Amino acid sequence: GAVVSQHPSRVICKSGTSVKIECRSLDFQATTMFWYRQFPKQSLMLMATSNEGSKATYEQGVEKDKFLINHASLTLSTLTVTSAHPEDSSFYICSARDRSGGYTFGSGTRLTVV
Amino acid sequence: AQSVSQHNHHVILSEAASLELGCNYSYGGTVNLFWYVQYPGQHLQLLLKYFSGDPLVKGIKGFEAEFIKSKFSFNLRKPSVQWSDTAEYFCAVNAYPVNDYKLSFGAGTTVTVRA
Repeated sequence: GAVVSQHPSRVICKSGTSVKIECRSLDFQATTMFWYRQFPKQSLMLMATSNEGSKATYEQGVEKDKFLINHASLTLSTLTVTSAHPEDSSFYICSARDRSGGYTFGSGTRLTVV
Repeated sequence: AQSVSQHNHHVILSEAASLELGCNYSYGGTVNLFWYVQYPGQHLQLLLKYFSGDPLVKGIKGFEAEFIKSKFSFNLRKPSVQWSDTAEYFCAVNAYPVNDYKLSFGAGTTVTVRA
């Protein structure tokens, strides 16, 4: 089946630094990928839709200058959290539409900003 | 905007009991429906999905769901749960084409199965 690889799984960074999270579709091409944020014991909140070769579409309330998304190829989308602060600490998850029309999710990245 | 409601926040049951988790959505047009499971410390895994056709959908691990269009519902069921079914369950809806391919998730239901 379709596999989405997300790295790193955990990252701790200092406040004010930037962190890049990668999301790769391993056995299929994904023109569209999605980035979510999940708070403890809560549901997934869509942050943005990443489109290969074009600008990402951000959901209302998500700062595009803070959460930079690049989808430079059909198998890779990256999310960069710029100038991270403790309130950015969260679980970030990517997903991609697969060949069946469904959605395959990455394993998530636990970001802790200290 | 569409919304997805999962009525049960936390369900606790014993092994071999039957499980039913409710999911309702608010969009009246064409929908694609999904149930995902998230085991402790793991990523989301697809249990089943509905795009069209037979409204009774069978998924993995003995789960099934029924799409009832008139009730805007897509409830998940399992006749006999196991301890290993302890997990977080999410209903998700894609309202096509108004919402493009975006998924809206319900709040999730925590299922605890006692041995």
